[in-house]
Amino acid sequence: ETGVTQTPRHLVMGMTNKKSLKCEQHLGHNAMYWYKQSAKKPLELMFVYNFKEQTENNSVPSRFSPECPNSSHLFLHLHTLQPEDSALYLCASSQDLAGGQGAETQYFGPGTRLLVL
Amino acid sequence: GQNIDQPTEMTATEGAIVQINCTYQTSGFNGLFWYQQHAGEAPTFLSYNVLDGLEEKGRFSSFLSRSKGYSYLLLKELQMKDSASYLCADLYSGAGSYQLTFGKGTKLSVIP
Repeated sequence: ETGVTQTPRHLVMGMTNKKSLKCEQHLGHNAMYWYKQSAKKPLELMFVYNFKEQTENNSVPSRFSPECPNSSHLFLHLHTLQPEDSALYLCASSQDLAGGQGAETQYFGPGTRLLVL
Repeated sequence: GQNIDQPTEMTATEGAIVQINCTYQTSGFNGLFWYQQHAGEAPTFLSYNVLDGLEEKGRFSSFLSRSKGYSYLLLKELQMKDSASYLCADLYSGAGSYQLTFGKGTKLSVIP
């Protein structure tokens, strides 16, 4: 496989469930990201990892817990979510966080469409 | 960077040219990106500008003016498949961090 993959593509969960979203990138990139995309709102950055270390947490509620075991894999663990958390969750990766020459260009996975009941 | 502003919707005719504008705050600016997102799909990278001027890539071109905090995406010879949302994003740096901030997107409808 090439590019950025995400599983599952669709997820329905109750507010008391625990689930995990998985992202894998096959591009040899060093940085990985989680975004949330809700209807009528811009893409919202949630977390940033660079060389497996978390560098950004954009005031995300603790019911979202990221994990980055290595530079190729990123997880988003979900527990006790709320209906307003229903959205498209997108994973992205880039060669680096910055540095010019396009190294910071982010490439997105297909997303996980999450519905919280 | 941040405070990305772009039109919500635009309509254009097949075969025509359309320009989608984007403005952003200039402080902390490190680059301007354009992405295309078809309904229900992930954003796909179109262009990246870090210096002033026009970058051309096939039917798509992107322009940047750093002093004005302004960019546009130019789409030529429009095709029906170009109907999508076009996202302007500003790479912002501040306090040692780098973040890509997205606008709400411009939904382009191409009509016959």
